[in-house]
Amino acid sequence: TQLLKQSPQFLSIQEGENLTVYCNSSSVFSSLQWYRQEPGEGPVLLVTVVTGGEVKKLKRLTFQFGDARKDSSLHITAAQTGDTGLYLCAGDRSGGSNYKLTFGKGTLLTVNP
Amino acid sequence: DADVTQTPRNRITKTGKRIMLECSQTKGHDRMYWYRQDPGLGLRLIYYSFDVKDINKGEISDGYSVSRQAQAKFSLSLESAIPNQTALYFCATSVGTGGNYGYTFGSGTRLTVV
Repeated sequence: TQLLKQSPQFLSIQEGENLTVYCNSSSVFSSLQWYRQEPGEGPVLLVTVVTGGEVKKLKRLTFQFGDARKDSSLHITAAQTGDTGLYLCAGDRSGGSNYKLTFGKGTLLTVNP
Repeated sequence: DADVTQTPRNRITKTGKRIMLECSQTKGHDRMYWYRQDPGLGLRLIYYSFDVKDINKGEISDGYSVSRQAQAKFSLSLESAIPNQTALYFCATSVGTGGNYGYTFGSGTRLTVV
């Protein structure tokens, strides 16, 4: 059973287009994070959301945490070739001192020039 | 120097051999984790340690063991490597209540068992 389901699995778009990727679960999370991973490197944290309904912006990236804290989305405006990578969502269900993350399988984004 | 350093970066080993992957960090974080990443399966937790005296199994610990030698060092061993342990292995660290801080990952070790 996949705790965090990411969609789409693959996405190929042209530079300048907008896109949204999703992270869905039937479980409630105390926090949810998004990472980007480039080939040959480890994932790098982009953002953490902790409050239901929260929206965070990081330049052209907009992250939203669902009201029920079960899902999240990442929207990229005017994608650039440098946005290419594997986008992973990860959630913590335990909260507090027992914190550890469960990862989705990721969305592999390719932005073509 | 990287905050989280994994060695080696690449390793090819034979079936049945013992191999150790090492991880060291300069973040000062108490918590360290080992994950493996496989195509189509994502990142799966092998072992984690909340401090030097605390070691816990993750979802896929069979065939692996770990050692937390110091706050900054956390090693993963494959006692008798098998081909389906071929994967990309990541070490990560976090602060104690990491919900707002996330993980810091190393650059990974690509392990091939032949």
